[in-house]
Amino acid sequence: EADIYQTPRYLVIGTGKKITLECSQTMGHDKMYWYQQDPGMELHLIHYSYGVNSTEKGDLSSESTVSRIRTEHFPLTLESARPSHTSQYLCASSDTGTKDEQYFGPGTRLTVT
Amino acid sequence: KNQVEQSPQSLIILEGKNCTLQCNYTVSPFSNLRWYKQDTGRGPVSLTIMTFSENTKSNGRYTATLDADTKQSSLHITASQLSDSASYICVVSDRGSTLGRLYFGRGTQLTVWP
Repeated sequence: EADIYQTPRYLVIGTGKKITLECSQTMGHDKMYWYQQDPGMELHLIHYSYGVNSTEKGDLSSESTVSRIRTEHFPLTLESARPSHTSQYLCASSDTGTKDEQYFGPGTRLTVT
Repeated sequence: KNQVEQSPQSLIILEGKNCTLQCNYTVSPFSNLRWYKQDTGRGPVSLTIMTFSENTKSNGRYTATLDADTKQSSLHITASQLSDSASYICVVSDRGSTLGRLYFGRGTQLTVWP
């Protein structure tokens, strides 16, 4: 089982609140990713990082921001949550040279009321 | 536009039966194809990964096939168990970028009944 963790697992929060979704991995992987997934739909890449101090936006436009200050930590922040942000957020990591096999965390189910 | 299409969208089978899930893709240039299993409320877990030169790969009761010429893949599940109930996602990676971008299908929702 992959050593990648996400907290919280579930979050219900009111509109306008600032939230941070945590993601940590203990595998020493250099690449990390954030995906957004709605029920019955495919995963969409919203952010990725090649390593410390490297962050890029993914295919799906997102109002969230990310940071990569430490190799093992890749938090995602929403400054002002809205109902349209309600979704499942999945964090993943991979190691260059191993076919970039991505290992996923358990996800955070976010509901904005 | 690179796409990954899966069929059927959902499938119900009885415990002990076999089933086959399909994946067609148009991703180019192709790097590898993966099948993931995603339990409800969990992150996807890798079952198999195949490169261009691999036609088949097994992982226990799961056997994946790849036809890179027709751009088709299948996942065969043998002697299904209740714990096989999950979404099975086909994921194709291209080699046209440093990132090795992944293209995800929407998944086949498999339900195994006792």
